[in-house]
Amino acid sequence: ETGVTQTPRHLVMGMTNKKSLKCEQHLGHNAMYWYKQSAKKPLELMFVYNFKEQTENNSVPSRFSPECPNSSHLFLHLHTLQPEDSALYLCASSIRGAETEAFFGQGTRLTVV
Amino acid sequence: AQSVSQHNHHVILSEAASLELGCNYSYGGTVNLFWYVQYPGQHLQLLLKYFSGDPLVKGIKGFEAEFIKSKFSFNLRKPSVQWSDTAEYFCAVTGYTGTASKLTFGTGTRLQVTL
Repeated sequence: ETGVTQTPRHLVMGMTNKKSLKCEQHLGHNAMYWYKQSAKKPLELMFVYNFKEQTENNSVPSRFSPECPNSSHLFLHLHTLQPEDSALYLCASSIRGAETEAFFGQGTRLTVV
Repeated sequence: AQSVSQHNHHVILSEAASLELGCNYSYGGTVNLFWYVQYPGQHLQLLLKYFSGDPLVKGIKGFEAEFIKSKFSFNLRKPSVQWSDTAEYFCAVTGYTGTASKLTFGTGTRLQVTL
């Protein structure tokens, strides 16, 4: 248990669906991240939030929409996804910024059909 | 832009064999370096980290890594692996870009330890 909780653990959605991934941490961290983990590819940083403000959008398509209502919660809203978006989506948090150790959740395994 | 290369994609070792996983990074400034491990079905967790000081760092479960600045390398080592070390290992680097820093990962190395 890392202190970073992601729900749901598994999600299957159609290309026309809208769904949301949730991440929650109660570690007192002020930076939160979304990563995409696909087979045989490096973990891809998608979004970074520092003190609830988005500080990085790594050229992510607009069908992925993040939301950070407070420093403990992070959402990833999904709509009109493509099959190639199927992957493991990881949330992480850290103190201050990525220069310190990041703690990861167990991820949401997303399958787009 | 910063990047990380892990040259070994899949390593198979027998128990008690020695391990060395290569990691090279590309970044022009000051970096912090990490090795993360992902056991089957589990979350990514920190194995060890280097921020400054002694370039030989020791982590959990008998792992260590050496930062060689001149070679831009941060190789992971363990003298004697165990079956329970079977996992995927990720090297990562952070550097400052503008007003924020970001953690960049390599592609990972899958380690399989046989009995």
